[in-house]
Amino acid sequence: QQKVQQSPESLIVPEGGMASLNCTFSDRNSQYFWWYRQHSGEGPKALMSIFSNGDKKEGRFTAHLNKASLYVSLHIKDSQPSDSALYFCAYMPNYNVLYFGSGTKLTVEP
Amino acid sequence: EAGVTQSPRYAVLQEGQAVSFWCDPISGHDTLYWYQQPRDQGPQLLVYFRDEAVIDNSQLPSDRFSAVRPKGTNSTLKIQSAKQGDTATYLCASSFRQSSYEQYFGPGTRLTVL
Repeated sequence: QQKVQQSPESLIVPEGGMASLNCTFSDRNSQYFWWYRQHSGEGPKALMSIFSNGDKKEGRFTAHLNKASLYVSLHIKDSQPSDSALYFCAYMPNYNVLYFGSGTKLTVEP
Repeated sequence: EAGVTQSPRYAVLQEGQAVSFWCDPISGHDTLYWYQQPRDQGPQLLVYFRDEAVIDNSQLPSDRFSAVRPKGTNSTLKIQSAKQGDTATYLCASSFRQSSYEQYFGPGTRLTVL
């Protein structure tokens, strides 16, 4: 059973546009949520974490968490071609193990 | 600060052959993870260590896969008799439990089993 569902599978946005990525999860005991980004040929790299309900902003990136709805999202403002990558949401039920979603492939077209 | 390093970067095998992957975590990180990432999927945990001790290896196919971290620093993941279904990228990550729980990933080893 997939514990984390990500959508959309792929997304194309124009340079300067807004990209919105979504995740739903099934474990109500989840405490800590992450967004990771993976460029081709590299390992995933953490973008940001969120553990409180509401919004968290870091530069052009804003994460939103709603634990009651089992939902987390990531919004990328003013998207750049260098943002083109695979994006994964992940959660930590016990501060040790990360469970990843299946990923969203973002393409930012110049 | 050096990141997580892995070798080799690529491996191509015939079914039935053995292969080992090596990982050097970030200095001072006490926790080390091995993940398997099939093509177009997210990473899936295989095993993780705290210092030299295995904490969770429940997802490791124990009949063919093994992992060690004898001195609590570097680690080796070995596949004894590879199958085509093992084709994936194998990622190593490390973290320090006294900090933010962020896991730092290496570049991975891309394995192809023919």
